[in-house]
Amino acid sequence: QVQLQESGPGLVKPSETLSLICSVSGGSITSDHWSWIRQPPGKGLEWIGNIYYSGTTKYNPSLKSRLLISVATSKTQFSLNLNSVTAADSAVYYCARRKNGSGRMDVWGKGTTVIVSS
Amino acid sequence: QSALTQPASVSGSPGQSITISCTGTGSDVGNYNYVSWYQQHPGKVPKLMIYDVSNRPSGVSDRFSGSKSGNTASLTISGLQAEDEADYYCISYTTTTTWVFGGGTKVTVL
Repeated sequence: QVQLQESGPGLVKPSETLSLICSVSGGSITSDHWSWIRQPPGKGLEWIGNIYYSGTTKYNPSLKSRLLISVATSKTQFSLNLNSVTAADSAVYYCARRKNGSGRMDVWGKGTTVIVSS
Repeated sequence: QSALTQPASVSGSPGQSITISCTGTGSDVGNYNYVSWYQQHPGKVPKLMIYDVSNRPSGVSDRFSGSKSGNTASLTISGLQAEDEADYYCISYTTTTTWVFGGGTKVTVL
């Protein structure tokens, strides 16, 4: 059974790059779509973007200019890099798997909190 | 892209049925059957309740059902229980091949 785990620094300085990794256990990134979602404190969910196992990416238009999602060569991790961060990027960041050919985003990581502050 | 529109709050008494709406446009909800619903309790990870408009993952109570008409999708909770008190979010695929969430609905069990 596939499980996901986010990891990365919990504190990032303004204007720097936020980098997170999602580790996949119980499977590998050889099919399906792999997503990032975030939730600012006290607010709703926001879709950040996703990557297909082949490497094709789709990004939220509001973040596209600052965003890079990639798959590691090991095919057991994928990453998120968001540059030029501000306090508005402070949130719980989740990674999730979406089944190919469906909207079924059924496996989520536990989430990791990132605070942007000097 | 604009967030899908959900009511900020919906409430009901135990045993009643409630419906949460999720209104989009012809560029998202109205154009695809890729609408999902998530339940989120405070401090917890969102849980998939309905996918592809009306499909229920195994393990999800059949008290939860989904439907769609035009640009509006709906989640109905029947036989409302105290444990159903949570935030609910819809999400839809869009014509720009991206995804958009609704703003969320807080369900209160009176």
